[in-house]
Amino acid sequence: RKEVEQDPGPFNVPEGATVAFNCTYSNSASQSFFWYRQDCRKEPKLLMSVYSSGNEDGRFTAQLNRASQYISLLIRDSKLSDSATYLCVVNLPTGTASKLTFGTGTRLQVTL
Amino acid sequence: ETGVTQSPTHLIKTRGQQVTLRCSSQSGHNTVSWYQQALGQGPQFIFQYYREEENGRGNFPPRFSGLQFPNYSSELNVNALELDDSALYLCASSLPSESFEQYFGPGTRLTVT
Repeated sequence: RKEVEQDPGPFNVPEGATVAFNCTYSNSASQSFFWYRQDCRKEPKLLMSVYSSGNEDGRFTAQLNRASQYISLLIRDSKLSDSATYLCVVNLPTGTASKLTFGTGTRLQVTL
Repeated sequence: ETGVTQSPTHLIKTRGQQVTLRCSSQSGHNTVSWYQQALGQGPQFIFQYYREEENGRGNFPPRFSGLQFPNYSSELNVNALELDDSALYLCASSLPSESFEQYFGPGTRLTVT
C-alpha cells in the first residue's frame, strides 16, 4: 500500500465549479499535513497546511480526519489559473528529520 | 519566489558518469532536503541535511550522497549514473520547526542517456 494515495485524475471542470480532492495516508504516526500545488515542469509550491480543525484560505478549504487518516481539499469557484497538479503531502518525522511523503498528485484542468 | 535557488537548471549526462547538483537555501533556513521527481510521480525523499550532518535518508542507494556547507547551501552528488536517474531533482529548505513546512527551489532537470 502506498504511504499517500490520491486519485490521479485528471479532473476536468468548468470555470466556477467546486471541486474536491481526497487523499489517504497509511502511517498513523504522521504529524503534519499539507497541500502543495505544482504547475507543469515547475517546482511544488506550498498551498496550505492542513489542521484537524480545518482551515480555509479564500476559495480553498482543507480538512484533516486523523481517525480515518484522510485529508481533503475543496476549491470553490474554480478559476482557469487553478489548473495544476495538487499534491497531498504528509510529514513523518524520523528522529529529528522531517521527511515529506508526497502522493502522486491529482491533476486539475479548469476549462471555459 | 521562495528564495531557494538551484544550479544548473538542466543537465545531460551519459550512463556511468557522475553529477553534482547545487542548492542555496532560503535565508535563515538551516535544513535542506533533496527530492527526486520522476515523470508523472510525486517527489521522493532522498535525504535531509541539518547543521552539515545527514539527518535522515530515504530509500536511495549509497551512490546518492550529499553535503551541507556552513552557509547552509548543499550539494547532491550522484555517482555511476543510470538511465533511471533521469528526473527533476528538487531541493527544499526549512526551519526545524513544528510545522515542517518546506519551500522548494526550481529544480534541476537531469537527463541520463
